[in-house]
Amino acid sequence: AQSVTQPDIHITVSEGASLELRCNYSYGATPYLFWYVQSPGQGLQLLLKYFSGDTLVQGIKGFEAEFKRSQSSFNLRKPSVHWSDAAEYFCAVGARTDKLIFGTGTRLQVFP
Amino acid sequence: SQTIHQWPATLVQPVGSPLSLECTVEGTSNPNLYWYRQAAGRGLQLLFYSVGIGQISSEVPQNLSASRPQDRQFILSSKKLLLSDSGFYLCASPGEGQGYGTQYFGPGTRLLVL
Repeated sequence: AQSVTQPDIHITVSEGASLELRCNYSYGATPYLFWYVQSPGQGLQLLLKYFSGDTLVQGIKGFEAEFKRSQSSFNLRKPSVHWSDAAEYFCAVGARTDKLIFGTGTRLQVFP
Repeated sequence: SQTIHQWPATLVQPVGSPLSLECTVEGTSNPNLYWYRQAAGRGLQLLFYSVGIGQISSEVPQNLSASRPQDRQFILSSKKLLLSDSGFYLCASPGEGQGYGTQYFGPGTRLLVL
């Protein structure tokens, strides 16, 4: 079955620290992978996406993610977190359609 | 780029009452449209999607229905709300020319059923 797992429900980091949010997927075909961010009470915004090619993809707001096929992972990273990065982050997987399967999300809290 | 509007922003309804949530899209024509529900700790669940006027596909059996009376309007409805219908409802549409899965989301409607 197709699924996305985000094992960390809640992560807390200090401002300026590095960040890694984990995402594992199960998908029968070559996946398209996405990270979305949701600020409190708002809709979702696309951070970055992987379709093919270079397995390290750059996104907006200084985020990057690395696709590792052998580990079925697509972890999101940022070298130095800002207080404004506090939000909920969703990993999603799809194929050659617009329909996505989302993970349950990771809530990021940033302390000054 | 397109803009997605949702109305209302917040809604508190008693169990058994009807529901109508509206989604409208600007800046594109004949878009695919999606309704998602976000319940606490459960991520986003795709409820319905539509590829055109009057064309609705349901992803999960439930107490809700959807309609698309106009090209850029997508309605989520219920005849009798259940407690389990509480959640955050998001309307989405693919970005034109952005590639598969690149969705634009509306601001959402928070529904509380009491």
